[in-house]
Amino acid sequence: LAKTTQPISMDSYEGQEVNITCSHNNIATNDYITWYQQFPSQGPRFIIQGYKTKVTNEVASLFIPADRKSSTLSLPRVSLSDTAVYYCPGGTGFQKLVFGTGTRLLVSP
Amino acid sequence: DSGVTQTPKHLITATGQRVTLRCSPRSGDLSVYWYQQSLDQGLQFLIHYYNGEERAKGNILERFSAQQFPDLHSELNLSSLELGDSALYFCASSAAWTVSSGNTIYFGEGSWLTVV
Repeated sequence: LAKTTQPISMDSYEGQEVNITCSHNNIATNDYITWYQQFPSQGPRFIIQGYKTKVTNEVASLFIPADRKSSTLSLPRVSLSDTAVYYCPGGTGFQKLVFGTGTRLLVSP
Repeated sequence: DSGVTQTPKHLITATGQRVTLRCSPRSGDLSVYWYQQSLDQGLQFLIHYYNGEERAKGNILERFSAQQFPDLHSELNLSSLELGDSALYFCASSAAWTVSSGNTIYFGEGSWLTVV
């Protein structure tokens, strides 16, 4: 069963825009794409969710192309407090519940 | 506060022992999930229950078991504990039985288990 693929880690500086891309090669027609954020020693929390095109909330934007085979989480003007692990779980069957290692984002001053 | 409550927050026990972790889902949520997170590994999915019935199994060891009770709270039982079982165990809940169609998962703060 295939699951999503995302970079293991990314580095950025305060004030920059960060884009994290996730591949969803086996996404089902009715599946939404959801991103979660996890700080050290805390449980992951919901950031943003979308089905297609673009979604924006107070925290981030989510871009989903027409074929829905990928998604890009965009964090505008990151700060030190955005240092966290970001997950895009998905896949077929129980793989939808697999969070894996996520993308570890480190924001430096 | 996600609304998911886990107890105990911290637990230290010896190898070979058995422990039980407890989870109360958000009010109204019928699905409960258990995850394990070690220092060097990602968030590993263990098991999913919906309204008392097991729905999906992930990388759960045979020494581990779980159940969801009629009041919807859940317990994760870990037996014959080994040093490698030391980890942060998360419980999560959601309203529906599937995470498709926009169903969001809400995580608790976790239970830290240290096996010595």
